[in-house]
Amino acid sequence: DTGVSQNPRHKITKRGQNVTFRCDPISEHNRLYWYRQTLGQGPEFLTYFQNEAQLEKSRLLSDRFSAERPKGSFSTLEIQRTEQGDSAMYLCASSPFSAGSNYGYTFGSGTRLTVV
Amino acid sequence: AQSVTQPDIHITVSEGASLELRCNYSYGATPYLFWYVQSPGQGLQLLLKYFSGDTLVQGIKGFEAEFKRSQSSFNLRKPSVHWSDAAEYFCAVGARNNNDMRFGAGTRLTVKP
Repeated sequence: DTGVSQNPRHKITKRGQNVTFRCDPISEHNRLYWYRQTLGQGPEFLTYFQNEAQLEKSRLLSDRFSAERPKGSFSTLEIQRTEQGDSAMYLCASSPFSAGSNYGYTFGSGTRLTVV
Repeated sequence: AQSVTQPDIHITVSEGASLELRCNYSYGATPYLFWYVQSPGQGLQLLLKYFSGDTLVQGIKGFEAEFKRSQSSFNLRKPSVHWSDAAEYFCAVGARNNNDMRFGAGTRLTVKP
């Protein structure tokens, strides 16, 4: 297993276009998280999945954002009608889950989105 | 809700000098605390974590951190910094069932030769 993989690494898009990012977690991890990181800031939580179920969404995740994790494996994050304020690094992380424990996350290298 | 404060935005140390990065957290229950490091253009790598037990925890790359409940702090230390330690460092607090993790704004470390 090569860790958490994110594609593409970089995406430049015109304002108003739709974009989709993909995350492949560590195969035995049943939790998957999406974070957004803007320049000079720490990662901000967007949403997370346990297997295929999306269990929590941040208020940062406007109705232009949607995330899926079909079959509980890879996940996609789609942004519709992109705005310049969406420019950021989008980070995916995964972790195993066991009730009452917290193992920390393994992060991917991120997808850097630039909206022009 | 949990939150993390990293008071120092940028720290510069000389190679070979000791390092301490500050982290203060706010959390209503027993916190799960983490330090991550991020090199430019890369994702975050876990340095160490604290759940319970010994308040001094050892991590990778020669880093350690000390949990002080009375001060709500979890400071990261290294006795002798190497040029390769130059990066952004993030402190994070999480819940027992790792629903979501909250990060500080980060401290950028510059290492002088």
